[in-house]
Amino acid sequence: GAGVSQSPSNKVTEKGKDVELRCDPISGHTALYWYRQSLGQGLEFLIYFQGNSAPDKSGLPSDRFSAERTGGSVSTLTIQRTQQEDSAVYLCASTYNVGQNIQYFGAGTRLSVL
Amino acid sequence: DQQVKQNSPSLSVQEGRISILNCDYTNSMFDYFLWYKKYPAEGPTFLISISSIKDKNEDGRFTVFLNKSAKHLSLHIVPSQPGDSAVYFCAASEQAGGTSYGKLTFGQGTILTVHP
Repeated sequence: GAGVSQSPSNKVTEKGKDVELRCDPISGHTALYWYRQSLGQGLEFLIYFQGNSAPDKSGLPSDRFSAERTGGSVSTLTIQRTQQEDSAVYLCASTYNVGQNIQYFGAGTRLSVL
Repeated sequence: DQQVKQNSPSLSVQEGRISILNCDYTNSMFDYFLWYKKYPAEGPTFLISISSIKDKNEDGRFTVFLNKSAKHLSLHIVPSQPGDSAVYFCAASEQAGGTSYGKLTFGQGTILTVHP
């Protein structure tokens, strides 16, 4: 596709359930980034990938959060045993290569944990 | 700690007037700064950027000013239009070799409302 695609656009889940969020970056972009935006806050960095490797996982808030990227394209962010404080918009971005400053964002997945 | 701060949560401006959005940062390793615009239910869209070797960058109605000594940047929109109403985020990135290399650090955002 032409832009970064994220699915689902909205996800409502019950506390304690696992969720998977998907990101399909712009074709040819090797770097992929995950951020989240909690209500009234700025974007908080979670993790980035260069190809299939993740050099920086420092932003993942707890060990319930994990992400993977296989084939250098699609990435999945998994949140296990969701908590209410995980409710946020999860945004994915991509660039041609890490170090390219302008990141292109998807529309995000709005996660609501009841 | 908040390395990028936008201290004004909101700004209201009349159509045709100038909008000035401000951003402060604390990390002296930041060397590239960006402004993103976000409409509801959409992802942030890149607007304009500036490298630390410059103090001004202009693109149409949008101009970004950087004051490195004050660690301050601002976005000027002239003239403001109702379609400019959105949330504006300031972001910064670090040069290669820095501990935050590879990610953008964002401010909290400023809601701009341009009244007709």
